Amino acid sequence: DGGITQSPKYLFRKEGQNVTLSCEQNLNHDAMYWYRQDPGQGLRLIYYSQIVNDFQKGDIAEGYSVSREKKESFPLTVTSAQKNPTAFYLCASSKRGGNEQFFGPGTRLTVL
Amino acid sequence: KQEVTQIPAALSVPEGENLVLNCSFTDSAIYNLQWFRQDPGKGLTSLLLIQSSQREQTSGRLNASLDKSSGRSTLYIAASQPGDSATYLCAVPPSDSGGSNYKLTFGKGTLLTVNP
Repeated sequence: DGGITQSPKYLFRKEGQNVTLSCEQNLNHDAMYWYRQDPGQGLRLIYYSQIVNDFQKGDIAEGYSVSREKKESFPLTVTSAQKNPTAFYLCASSKRGGNEQFFGPGTRLTVL
Repeated sequence: KQEVTQIPAALSVPEGENLVLNCSFTDSAIYNLQWFRQDPGKGLTSLLLIQSSQREQTSGRLNASLDKSSGRSTLYIAASQPGDSATYLCAVPPSDSGGSNYKLTFGKGTLLTVNP
């Protein structure tokens, strides 16, 4: 079955630690995205990548980093510089041009 | 900067009722609008993508309309069922996107509860 997988489903981090969230897709999509969702707020774009080995900052990139070494994978690292990382993180992908985005199941990150 | 508003924030209806969810956007020069459904603790499911050249898009009991001139879209759900209970979000690309959807702006969603 084609789709987007995210792992882990739940992640706990101690303050000062970096953590990496995984996102994999087998839809053969060129573009991939990372969003953050907080209660009472809409989704906010962290980073996006239109093609392998290229990515752009979204609206709230500070404290986050990404890589796009393979078409299928777009991992997100939440660094210790992110002051309020507790949130629900969603990965998405789309064909080139981004006409319609498809989402993964999400990772809930909690800072202890 | 594009802003998207969804009213009401929450809606509770009895099963079987027809209902309308609203989405408004400030910059009307959009190429398309996408409606999503989100169940609690889950990712988003794409429901309908309506192009600016279309006025309506239908999928089963769902019908989305788009009125660019007024900056509004509506999602009509016919004969609602308890399984329709979820948060419904709309999203639009920037008006200067050239038709690409890389940087969507999302509304905060409408939480729909359909009571048996």
